[in-house]
Amino acid sequence: DQQVKQNSPSLSVQEGRISILNCDYTNSMFDYFLWYKKYPAEGPTFLISISSIKDKNEDGRFTVFLNKSAKHLSLHIVPSQPGDSAVYFCAASAGAGSYQLTFGKGTKLSVIP
Amino acid sequence: DSGVTQTPKHLITATGQRVTLRCSPRSGDLSVYWYQQSLDQGLQFLIQYYNGEERAKGNILERFSAQQFPDLHSELNLSSLELGDSALYFCASSVGEGAWSGYTFGSGTRLTVV
Repeated sequence: DQQVKQNSPSLSVQEGRISILNCDYTNSMFDYFLWYKKYPAEGPTFLISISSIKDKNEDGRFTVFLNKSAKHLSLHIVPSQPGDSAVYFCAASAGAGSYQLTFGKGTKLSVIP
Repeated sequence: DSGVTQTPKHLITATGQRVTLRCSPRSGDLSVYWYQQSLDQGLQFLIQYYNGEERAKGNILERFSAQQFPDLHSELNLSSLELGDSALYFCASSVGEGAWSGYTFGSGTRLTVV
């Protein structure tokens, strides 16, 4: 039973346009969400996070939106750059002090110059 | 360089064998986490240690075990290896116990069981 789902295995976007990566979750106990980016042959790198008490968090070109009623979050990258090409993982944890993250399977983003 | 060091980077071994994966956390981090990423799967939480003590267990097989030493480095031991154990094994570390601040991951150990 996948508690965190990224239904799009891949996404291609033109350089300069917006990239939107989606993530759905089923566990209502999740209250903290993170996005990680992973390049080949490297470990995942923390990108941005959001607490369930917020519906939006912004960091430069990256914005994460959370819709708790729909159990859905999305990562927006504006403008997209070729260096953003990577696999993006959505992850969730259940409460402060939670010791594990539940990850989605990832979405491979390709930004075309 | 994330500051989390995993060795070896690659490991090829036969079924039935035992291997040890090593992780040195980022300086100052007390928590170490182990994750497994099989082909086309997300990262699956295996186990967490905090300052030498086991703190949480996930979907870790009985054939697998881990420990964290006084110098805070951690080892993941995989025994009676099966073909299905072939995967990327990631170690991550954080300052505190929880995932609240997010983890810093190492670059992983790719295990191939033949």
